[in-house]
This record gives sequence, C-alpha cells and structure tokens, in this order.
Amino acid sequence: GAVVSQHPSWVICKSGTSVKIECRSLDFQATTMFWYRQFPKQSLMLMATSNEGSKATYEQGVEKDKFLINHASLTLSTLTVTSAHPEDSSFYICSAPLVVDTEQYFGPGTRLTVT
Amino acid sequence: AQSVTQLGSHVSVSEGALVLLRCNYSSSVPPYLFWYVQYPNQGLQLLLKYTTGATLVKGINGFEAEFKKSETSFHLTKPSAHMSDAAEYFCAVISNDYKLSFGAGTTVTVRA
Repeated sequence: GAVVSQHPSWVICKSGTSVKIECRSLDFQATTMFWYRQFPKQSLMLMATSNEGSKATYEQGVEKDKFLINHASLTLSTLTVTSAHPEDSSFYICSAPLVVDTEQYFGPGTRLTVT
Repeated sequence: AQSVTQLGSHVSVSEGALVLLRCNYSSSVPPYLFWYVQYPNQGLQLLLKYTTGATLVKGINGFEAEFKKSETSFHLTKPSAHMSDAAEYFCAVISNDYKLSFGAGTTVTVRA
C-alpha cells in the first residue's frame, strides 16, 4: 500500500526557535503533498499544498513566512515552523495522493509543543 | 464548492450494536467521497471511498457506506460494533482543486 511517514512523531521546542517536520512517501512518488493542522477535538484544517519543484500554495489565513514548506524531491516535503510560539502547539499531519484526484494517504502526525 | 456535514459530534453505542454515522455532502459535480478513521494521536486511515459505480461501498473493518444522490448522503454503517471501533471518524469530499474537505468529525464510543 501507500505509506507516508513523518518525523519526528513529537517535538518540544522553546518559544522563538524553529522546528522542521519531515513528510516522506515511502513507496510511491508524490508530486503533491498536503499539510494539515489539527487542534484537540477538532477536524483537520488544510494549511498548504506542497508541490514538488515549485512554491507551495497556502490556504487563506496561513502565514507563509511562518510555515515554510519545501518539496525538494518526489518523496520528501518539509514544514518548518519558524519562531514558534505556544499558540503554534498542535498536531501537524501530512498527506499525499497516489493520483492527484484520489484518496490521500496520511502520515502518523507530529505533535508539536512549544514551551 | 464541495463540502460535507457530519450530523452528530458524538455517537455512543453498545458493543454488538449497529453503528451509524451520518454524512451529507454538497457538490456541484459528481462527488468523490471518503470516510477516514483516526485513533488518538495518530494519522488518518482510509475506511472506504466512493468514486463511481456501485453505490454501496464496502470498506475495512466491516464498515460500509451507501452513496445516495437523491439524499446527498454518504452514511457509514457497521452492523456490530466492537470495542476497537472507538475512534474519531471523518467524512470527506474532494474539491475541484483536488483538496480534501473534511467534516467536523464524529467521536464513537463503545460501551461494554
């Protein structure tokens, strides 16, 4: 099947520092990956669409300078939370479709806690 | 724009009882619909999907869903709940720009 991994699974960082989250498609190539944010007891909120070889497209209200996305290869997208603050603490999940208009396969998520 | 609405944020069932999770969609084009399950602190796992063809779709773990165009619904059912079915369930639809739009989610608890 299509497997998506994320690293790290959880991270604690201090306010003002930056943290990078990796999303990898392990057994398929993903020209497109999606980044979501999920607060406790809430649904997933799409943050941005990561496109291999080009700039990411961000959803309305998402700060592109704060959430830097790089999709440097067909199997790896990274999300960097810059100058993190406690309100950035959340569960970040990535996904990728095998084919662009079919189901998405989700990574296991990364729990970010900013102290 | 495509969207989904999940009716009921929380469903509690007895072990062995029917599980019914409701999802209604809004779409200007034939929708692609999905049900995902999420266990605590984990990503989402696809239960089943409807794209075209047969309107009754069978998925993993004994779940199935029926696409009803006349009712704009895609309700998820399982005849007999198991303790392991306790989780969060999300209905989703793909939009024109290939993004998934999720419902608010339904928490299922199973009573012994």
